[in-house]
Amino acid sequence: NAGVMQNPRHLVRRRGQEARLRCSPMKGHSHVYWYRQLPEEGLKFMVYLQKENIIDESGMPKERFSAEFPKEGPSILRIQQVVRGDSAAYFCASSSSSSTDTQYFGPGTRLTVL
Amino acid sequence: GQSLEQPSEVTAVEGAIVQINCTYQTSGFYGLSWYQQHDGGAPTFLSYNALDGLEETGRFSSFLSRSDSYGYLLLQELQMKDSASYFCAAGGSSNTGKLIFGQGTTLQVKP
Repeated sequence: NAGVMQNPRHLVRRRGQEARLRCSPMKGHSHVYWYRQLPEEGLKFMVYLQKENIIDESGMPKERFSAEFPKEGPSILRIQQVVRGDSAAYFCASSSSSSTDTQYFGPGTRLTVL
Repeated sequence: GQSLEQPSEVTAVEGAIVQINCTYQTSGFYGLSWYQQHDGGAPTFLSYNALDGLEETGRFSSFLSRSDSYGYLLLQELQMKDSASYFCAAGGSSNTGKLIFGQGTTLQVKP
C-alpha cells in the first residue's frame, strides 16, 4: 500500500513565479491536510480538504495561496507570486476520517525562493 | 490562542529512558498525538491519547492528563536511531482533523 506521495521533492522558484505542490493521499484516504514547516520549527496547519471541498482553511494566508482536491487527481497547493518568506518545507498528510488520531505524512516538498 | 510547549532539546545515553513533556493550551481539545521526524523528513505517527492514562506501544508510551493539560512521551531502551525530533500535536476539533503542533524536542542519543 503506497504511502502519501508528494512531488516535486525539491522546487526552486524565483520571486514572482508560481509554485505548484502536489499530493496524492494514501489509497482509500479522502482527507488531506497541508502543513508548512520552517527550519527548526514545528509544523503549522494550513488547510484541510476532502474531495472537491475545502473544510478548514484557517491556516492559509489570505493572499497568493490556494488549495484544491479535485474529484480526480492529486491535491494541489498553489502559491502565486512567491516571495523569499515562502521558502519552507510543505508537508501533506492524509487520513481515512476527520478524526485527529492518526495522520500519515508525505516526504514533503522543499520550496526555495531565490 | 492555541499553543503547545515542549522542551527544545533532550540528551540521553543508549539504553536509558527519556521522558518528553508537553503542556497545551487549546480552545478545544480532542486528544494528544506524538510524531517523530528524522532530519526534516516525513513526520511519523507514534502514539495518540484521547483519554487520560497511559498508552503503550512497544518501547514508546504516551500519557495524558486532561485536568492538567499535560502529556508526555516515554521512550525506553533508547537506541541511536531514536535520535530525532519529537512533536506533540493537539487535535482541536472532532470534525476538522486540524492538528496544532508544538515546536518539537530534539532528542540526541549518545553511546
